[in-house]
Amino acid sequence: KNEVEQSPQNLTAQEGEFITINCSYSVGISALHWLQQHPGGGIVSLFMLSSGKKKHGRLIATINIQEKHSSLHITASHPRDSAVYICAVSSRAAGNKLTFGGGTRVLVKP
Amino acid sequence: DTGVSQDPRHKITKRGQNVTFRCDPISEHNRLYWYRQTLGQGPEFLTYFQNEAQLEKSRLLSDRFSAERPKGSFSTLEIQRTEQGDSAMYLCASSLVRAEKLFFGSGTQLSVL
Repeated sequence: KNEVEQSPQNLTAQEGEFITINCSYSVGISALHWLQQHPGGGIVSLFMLSSGKKKHGRLIATINIQEKHSSLHITASHPRDSAVYICAVSSRAAGNKLTFGGGTRVLVKP
Repeated sequence: DTGVSQDPRHKITKRGQNVTFRCDPISEHNRLYWYRQTLGQGPEFLTYFQNEAQLEKSRLLSDRFSAERPKGSFSTLEIQRTEQGDSAMYLCASSLVRAEKLFFGSGTQLSVL
């Protein structure tokens, strides 16, 4: 079993729809990261969470430490949101290196 | 542009050849990480440096792989006697020791024919 599991693996939405991506982890962490990867490889950090909820524009990330679960929500989705969204966890005790989930490929159709 | 640069962006090589990739992190970042990503998968940790010291290596990093960060600034990742299974995107990231946020380069896509 992977230490970080994401669901769904693939998601197709119509423009304007609300999107939710889920992430569960099984190890102790210092922080949970949500990252975005566009075709061509570049990875961009969206959020880093250790508790509660963060919001940036149309993106919202939440984490429940007790349940070892996080969600990434995209409100009013747009075709430019099409990308792979990756959940990752880090631990200060492990040098802050990231352990990644498998990613969720999101396609938003106009 | 995150400030982390990798060179080359793409590398095509024949099986058995040696290849070397370079990563230039954000200048004040003392931690530098190498990851490998195969198609459709999340990245996997390979190794990381704090300044010039290599602090951890994954068991994924076979004897054919070596990484250096000689002056605590740029880093190189060399693969000797490449195999087709080495074909992947090689990603570099950097951070400050006290910060957990990583900044990624655009990666080097390696294809071994």
